[in-house]
Amino acid sequence: QSVVTMSPSASGTPGQKVTISCSGRTSNIGSNPVTWYQQVPGRAPKLLIYSNDQRPPGVPDRFSGSKSGTSASLAISGLQSEDEADYYCVTWDDSVNGVFFGGGTKLTVL
Amino acid sequence: EVQLVESGGGLVQPGGSLRLSCEASGLTFIIHYIHWVRLAPGKGPEWVSRVSPDGANTNYADSVKGRFTISRDNAKNSVFLQMNSVRAEDTAVYFCARDRAQGGSGWFDSWGQGTLVTVAS
Repeated sequence: QSVVTMSPSASGTPGQKVTISCSGRTSNIGSNPVTWYQQVPGRAPKLLIYSNDQRPPGVPDRFSGSKSGTSASLAISGLQSEDEADYYCVTWDDSVNGVFFGGGTKLTVL
Repeated sequence: EVQLVESGGGLVQPGGSLRLSCEASGLTFIIHYIHWVRLAPGKGPEWVSRVSPDGANTNYADSVKGRFTISRDNAKNSVFLQMNSVRAEDTAVYFCARDRAQGGSGWFDSWGQGTLVTVAS
């Protein structure tokens, strides 16, 4: 069982808002910041959100992050075709002393 | 501009060894955790290891613990990953990444281009 779990897939039509969730434990999401990445096959992940809800320069404000308790969410509003990718949440786990990538959610833009 | 350049990948037989290097420029190297993350064919990213800014503390994924060793040379702005007793499941593109978080919790804002490690006989 993965330390940090995500739904394997999500979908939406252009212009819609989609939310991708990440569920963990007290020892990881409950105690540490969450980072979100977008990844296309074969390439390094791209940073979208850090420290739960902070957006780095260059990331559109259509992307937003939040955290509550042992869960975190990434919301994408005004969905665009170029948003079709895999999305991963990442956090540190205090009980196993390691960084964990969630299993990933494949976003399809219909 | 921050640049991370990995090298050292290649074809290695099961049970063999390989040493990856990551050379950094354009950053204050000595204040950052540096991590290795790998991307296996058809799979999502997997965190491999991290080293603290002073090199005194290291952490590893269970899948590589006891086989891989991470180290750094701050005088040369470099991080290394010594891979021993490699297995077929270690086949992946290996990336080094800078962590902007003070605690090294996975805020990777700069990545290298990756180096391919193939474990096969």
